[in-house]
Amino acid sequence: NAGVTQTPKFRVLKTGQSMTLLCAQDMNHEYMYWYRQDPGMGLRLIHYSVGEGTTAKGEVPDGYNVSRLKKQNFLLGLESAAPSQTSVYFCASSYGTGGNEQFFGPGTRLTVL
Amino acid sequence: AQRVTQPEKLLSVFKGAPVELKCNYSYSGSPELFWYVQYSRQRLQLLLRHISRESIKGFTADLNKGETSFHLKKPFAQEEDSAMYYCALVGIGGGSYIPTFGRGTSLIVHP
Repeated sequence: NAGVTQTPKFRVLKTGQSMTLLCAQDMNHEYMYWYRQDPGMGLRLIHYSVGEGTTAKGEVPDGYNVSRLKKQNFLLGLESAAPSQTSVYFCASSYGTGGNEQFFGPGTRLTVL
Repeated sequence: AQRVTQPEKLLSVFKGAPVELKCNYSYSGSPELFWYVQYSRQRLQLLLRHISRESIKGFTADLNKGETSFHLKKPFAQEEDSAMYYCALVGIGGGSYIPTFGRGTSLIVHP
């Protein structure tokens, strides 16, 4: 049982490049989330999904897109990376109903030059 | 709308001193509150939730609906408690179970 995994762990991009971050969970969770973590800003929700085939915007969705084609996977895409997207990205999953904890991935450290 | 406020970005104490990390929230309905912890270079993990009413690693937190607070307390801090702490709220009954996180408090425990 691997829990929540993220690929890649680190990445350096040049401005304007694109990339996809992959999140996978093996706990059969309905809900999945993408956050970014920045110093002094805490965790901010980018996008989330309440089930396979559904996605919704969070607090800071601009510049990102997501897809949830399979229940166990949640992809975060950056179409044209900007230096402001330099951050640590965390994926999380949960059963979704109230009172259930979120399980987090190890994070992806992204630097955009 | 739901909001979580952690007024202290940084809390610095000495080993053996009491610790209180503050969390205030605003939500019109019935909330569920959580504390998550992130040790250096590790993933976030659940520390405790108010519905469990348990003590984890010596930490406790009581939901005070009158003051809309969920402060995290420990009577005697240890060096291994140094970490980033996040308070989170899930609003129950609103149809959405998307958590709202505070901005976090960095706890440093000096030897």
